[in-house]
Amino acid sequence: EPEVTQTPSHQVTQMGQEVILRCVPISNHLYFYWYRQILGQKVEFLVSFYNNEISEKSEIFDDQFSVERPDGSNFTLKIRSTKLEDSAMYFCASREQGASEKLFFGSGTQLSVL
Amino acid sequence: GDSVTQMEGPVTLSEEAFLTINCTYTATGYPSLFWYVQYPGEGLQLLLKATKADDKGSNKGFEATYRKETTSFHLEKGSVQVSDSAVYFCALLTSGGSYIPTFGRGTSLIVHP
Repeated sequence: EPEVTQTPSHQVTQMGQEVILRCVPISNHLYFYWYRQILGQKVEFLVSFYNNEISEKSEIFDDQFSVERPDGSNFTLKIRSTKLEDSAMYFCASREQGASEKLFFGSGTQLSVL
Repeated sequence: GDSVTQMEGPVTLSEEAFLTINCTYTATGYPSLFWYVQYPGEGLQLLLKATKADDKGSNKGFEATYRKETTSFHLEKGSVQVSDSAVYFCALLTSGGSYIPTFGRGTSLIVHP
């Protein structure tokens, strides 16, 4: 079965540094998402992306965050000036066009900000 | 706003034991309800769903019934296997708006031989 690929699986960074989390969604999918899960808490929605633009974002997704689809295959989440509280598991997901309710998730990137 | 509450884990069971993982929700309107499962080293994947009250979703021996009166969608399996060890996420999706599923925190299941 096709899958969503995320890299790296673990990322350690110093507070104040910028990180880029990478995702390769399933090739014929058109809707892309980023979620995150802080340890012990709920999986939280960050942003959705369609047709090369953000379609929705949560209040978490402030100016510190940005997303990009730089080519036909990658979907990235950039976090500028990381803070300790950005430490979390970040999940990328995609789904196909139409009424499908099924999201396909990557295995996540564990971000640790020191 | 919409929210999902799951029982805290880990849930630790012996093989062939009966499993229940509780999930309750708060939503405006009439949501669709889902269970996703995350096996070690993998992404979340859809396990089952129910789209209206009294529907029962089922897959791989797991079942969950959409209970509108108790706003619940508890996951059950009659006889768990070691291979069922994973994290289980309850989620909801309300219709008529943006397509943004709301997830719970996940419940870890550990099954011992």
